[in-house]
Amino acid sequence: QQQVKQSPQSLIVQKGGISIINCAYENTAFDYFPWYQQFPGKGPALLIAIRPDVSEKKEGRFTISFNKSAKQFSLHIMDSQPGDSATYFCAANGYGKLTFGQGTILTVHP
Amino acid sequence: GAVVSQHPSRVICKSGTSVKIECRSLDFQATTMFWYRQFPKKSLMLMATSNEGSKATYEQGVEKDKFLINHASLTLSTLTVTSAHPEDSSFYICSAKPGTNTGELFFGEGSRLTVL
Repeated sequence: QQQVKQSPQSLIVQKGGISIINCAYENTAFDYFPWYQQFPGKGPALLIAIRPDVSEKKEGRFTISFNKSAKQFSLHIMDSQPGDSATYFCAANGYGKLTFGQGTILTVHP
Repeated sequence: GAVVSQHPSRVICKSGTSVKIECRSLDFQATTMFWYRQFPKKSLMLMATSNEGSKATYEQGVEKDKFLINHASLTLSTLTVTSAHPEDSSFYICSAKPGTNTGELFFGEGSRLTVL
């Protein structure tokens, strides 16, 4: 019940394309859903986050879509750039701590 | 966003020695800090939760005597890997939670531990 399932494991996108990463959860007690970006050898950095009372949040090229009934949320990266190549983690907050998805390695080809 | 500083960023030590990693919240008070371990190309695994002034809460399977956590102030938590062995080599990351209950966490840059 504490798991957050993330897919795909890896993703290759051409420059200018849309990158889509999906996550699903079981625990309805989760109340905050952040996405983190991590570059090799660095700590994760908060990218964007959403709460379950909102169905979509957009910040620049990054959009979170949230489907409460399906218990799914996704990250869309519009106009993907080579600099977006990194590992992305979704997470869900519950019981005072974050549960992370398995991660998606995104590669954006020039 | 808020800044969390982690030190050292890299450490190499001999087997059997102890290593201390510091995690500081630079511009906010962190009532709660978390310590994670990350293996190559894997997700972050929560090791323990530390609350200022109280004992850390360890996740199942994490050895309390091996990974000592101290959260002596609202801006500093330390992780000490005692009697380190090669299997303890990993990337250790801390995160800090501001006093407000927003769920938002800020992460340090991580510490790469290599035990020879």
